[in-house]
Amino acid sequence: AQTVTQSQPEMSVQEAETVTLSCTYDTSENNYYLFWYKQPPSRQMILVIRQEAYKQQNATENRFSVNFQKAAKSFSLKISDSQLGDTAMYFCAFMKHGYSGAGSYQLTFGKGTKLSVIP
Amino acid sequence: DGGITQSPKYLFRKEGQNVTLSCEQNLNHDAMYWYRQDPGQGLRLIYYSQIVNDFQKGDIAEGYSVSREKKESFPLTVTSAQKNPTAFYLCASSIAATYEQYFGPGTRLTVT
Repeated sequence: AQTVTQSQPEMSVQEAETVTLSCTYDTSENNYYLFWYKQPPSRQMILVIRQEAYKQQNATENRFSVNFQKAAKSFSLKISDSQLGDTAMYFCAFMKHGYSGAGSYQLTFGKGTKLSVIP
Repeated sequence: DGGITQSPKYLFRKEGQNVTLSCEQNLNHDAMYWYRQDPGQGLRLIYYSQIVNDFQKGDIAEGYSVSREKKESFPLTVTSAQKNPTAFYLCASSIAATYEQYFGPGTRLTVT
């Protein structure tokens, strides 16, 4: 079974500064996907970024980037130029790669990091 | 306007009653999922369905039941056997051959 650990229950950052959220995971799989989801106060889960384990290049989406260290099983999220709208819970999630008929995949989530952006 | 809808947003029930949460998607996704979220916890998978008329238990299926009679719909019934049903419930869907799960807005269930 896979486990995902987010060791920072809460973090804060000044507006326009950079912050890094940590995530580690445990798996015996070699092929998998990793995700960061954002859950603002509205509680809608929003996909921020995804990383395929077979890709060495770190994923980037505008102000969001990851540092994927496969050997260390680490997957941190860096938010640059933090904005007030970035205030949210952030969840790291793991998905095992595998064909299963019509192709559904199960996500395993960490417990989340609450990020507050301070004006 | 494509997306996932969950209704109602807030639901209140008395202990001992079964309650059904609605989840509908018009994204033409094959797979659908139900998650439960408790305070201080990540999401935990209740049930998932890969195709119509087929579904599998997730990590915490006890006390819940589902059906998948149509591709667009995946209702979740919280039965009286669920010992602690008060929680936030999220439905999600994904298309075969891609990996992103898209989430609905959620239903907050309170059982007293």
